[in-house]
Amino acid sequence: GAVVSQHPSRVICKSGTSVKIECRSLDFQATTMFWYRQFPKKSLMLMATSNEGSKATYEQGVEKDKFLINHASLTLSTLTVTSAHPEDSSFYICSARTIRDRTFPYEQYFGPGTRLTVT
Amino acid sequence: AQSVTQLDSHVSVSEGTPVLLRCNYSSSYSPSLFWYVQHPNKGLQLLLKYTSAATLVKGINGFEAEFKKSETSFHLTKPSAHMSDAAEYFCVVSGYNFNKFYFGSGTKLNVKP
Repeated sequence: GAVVSQHPSRVICKSGTSVKIECRSLDFQATTMFWYRQFPKKSLMLMATSNEGSKATYEQGVEKDKFLINHASLTLSTLTVTSAHPEDSSFYICSARTIRDRTFPYEQYFGPGTRLTVT
Repeated sequence: AQSVTQLDSHVSVSEGTPVLLRCNYSSSYSPSLFWYVQHPNKGLQLLLKYTSAATLVKGINGFEAEFKKSETSFHLTKPSAHMSDAAEYFCVVSGYNFNKFYFGSGTKLNVKP
């Protein structure tokens, strides 16, 4: 149980185009989803937190107009990188949690990540 | 403020020998601490968590960690390494009310035959 998927696993796009990454909770309802960015040989950096049906909360320094996050349902959140540039190339990871989990209501379940390369 | 420091970026052990991955944390209140493992092309998997119950926490795959408040540490150990343990390990501290996770920089564990 508690599986989170991401699609695509890898994407290459040209500079100036937009790319959408999907994050799905497969067997539970995700009340909150998180988007992280992982730089090579570095840690995960939280980009934003999104609750179903409401606007995402972005971390300081993250451009909300560049990284559009939508959490339209309890099982799907999307991250759209708009007007991508080579410096946006990175590994993007989503996670999901549900407060309906009685054993540990705040555990985060992580997706496998999406490798974005902007040429 | 919360932060995590993983003291070793790389650790190399021989199969069958003990594993020690070190983690120190900083938190302005009683923290909840986690260890996650990341295998290539797979999602982060929770190994174990400390949430103010027993200070010695047992996790999956034979891993355990001890919370030491006086040393602000939460080191991960395993008595005998297996080849399948080779992966990246992250120590994580949660923010207030578990709203955010703060990740350490990661430790890459290499297991030699």
